[in-house]
Amino acid sequence: TQLLEQSPQFLSIQEGENLTVYCNSSSVFSSLQWYRQEPGEGPVLLVTVVTGGEVKKLKRLTFQFGDARKDSSLHITAAQPGDTGLYLCAEVFGGTSYGKLTFGQGTILTVHP
Amino acid sequence: ETGVTQSPTHLIKTRGQQVTLRCSSQSGHNTVSWYQQALGQGPQFIFQYYREEENGRGNFPPRFSGLQFPNYSSELNVNALELDDSALYLCASSRTGGNLNTGELFFGEGSRLTVL
Repeated sequence: TQLLEQSPQFLSIQEGENLTVYCNSSSVFSSLQWYRQEPGEGPVLLVTVVTGGEVKKLKRLTFQFGDARKDSSLHITAAQPGDTGLYLCAEVFGGTSYGKLTFGQGTILTVHP
Repeated sequence: ETGVTQSPTHLIKTRGQQVTLRCSSQSGHNTVSWYQQALGQGPQFIFQYYREEENGRGNFPPRFSGLQFPNYSSELNVNALELDDSALYLCASSRTGGNLNTGELFFGEGSRLTVL
């Protein structure tokens, strides 16, 4: 398994601002997932990216997978207080027996009204 | 609501004691994975259970053990507790095999363990 580095570690912004969170590795990802975790809850899957260069959108969230499949980003447009939480990237390993993930350390996002 | 339930939600133990955490998987899911999440960190993979057998293990010592039952529910046991075992323990269920395998993982809300 490889090490995933997320940046920034903390992000505190005002409602309406845009932001980008990054996830990097020195090795090629097989596939990558992004999760959001709120206090007192488990992580919730936002998206899975598999193909290099892939871009996926989920309302105000845009996910990109690098061409070389060694990096990914999550961009949020016009952030809202409800976006507050811990954002985690995770590499899927273990073949088709899903459930084995290597997580980054996460980015704690706080959106102030 | 993910359909994955964990118990207990919170517990306090002392060093050297043993603890058992329980997880009921989402209906139709046959695979359970356990994760440890220390404060301010991302979750770390402990092990996975499929067909009542361990199906992969992370970098955790043997005092971390588990079981899966015929109804796919699972237990995580930790012996000889250490202070560093204080963490949120997350259970996640998924489907292995068949056309219901979407690669999606559903997490429970976790069991918060404090070791004093």
